[in-house]
Amino acid sequence: GAGVSQSPSNKVTEKGKDVELRCDPISGHTALYWYRQRLGQGLEFLIYFQGNSAPDKSGLPSDRFSAERTGESVSTLTIQRTQQEDSAVYLCASSWTGRESPLHFGNGTRLTVT
Amino acid sequence: DAKTTQPTSMDCAEGRAANLPCNHSTISGNEYVYWYRQIHSQGPQYIIHGLKNNETNEMASLIITEDRKSSTLILPHATLRDTAVYYCIVRALESGKLIFGQGTELSVKP
Repeated sequence: GAGVSQSPSNKVTEKGKDVELRCDPISGHTALYWYRQRLGQGLEFLIYFQGNSAPDKSGLPSDRFSAERTGESVSTLTIQRTQQEDSAVYLCASSWTGRESPLHFGNGTRLTVT
Repeated sequence: DAKTTQPTSMDCAEGRAANLPCNHSTISGNEYVYWYRQIHSQGPQYIIHGLKNNETNEMASLIITEDRKSSTLILPHATLRDTAVYYCIVRALESGKLIFGQGTELSVKP
């Protein structure tokens, strides 16, 4: 079956512009996660959605970052007034309801801010 | 979530078993051990997870010590395609999210 799909795969934007990154989770997965990975670094947790519960936003680095999720489907990560330090790969993952369930990752969106 | 410690890098000969260690001495009773790997330019790939019993699947085996303070991921017959960064993660069920460390860069050599 289809895995986690992210679009676009690459995005180049000018400093100060807003960007939207999209994630289509695996069908039926109720939990959805966003991570950021800077070049040569590990994954940084950003935000986590679980069903109808309030999202865990504890990893969002600033108020320029926000994310929405429509029901148990598509999610959009928005970065406003982009800065050069926002350049990174943004990874989305999804999982089943059970908290033991492993996360399944997409291949990410590579964002370059010039 | 408990912190994990892994070697920065390891080498393994092709066809041999790769044994990747992980220390998680502060693990709590309700925390699972997860292993993921990340091949260059791809998203992390789930490998295996366990609580206290040893686990095996088609990709690997996970050996957890009796005191649960450390574990070893075993790739029984490493191939060149197993070259990747391997992450050991301890996850509390109530937290949901995975917190990644720096991982072990495994190089499988011919």
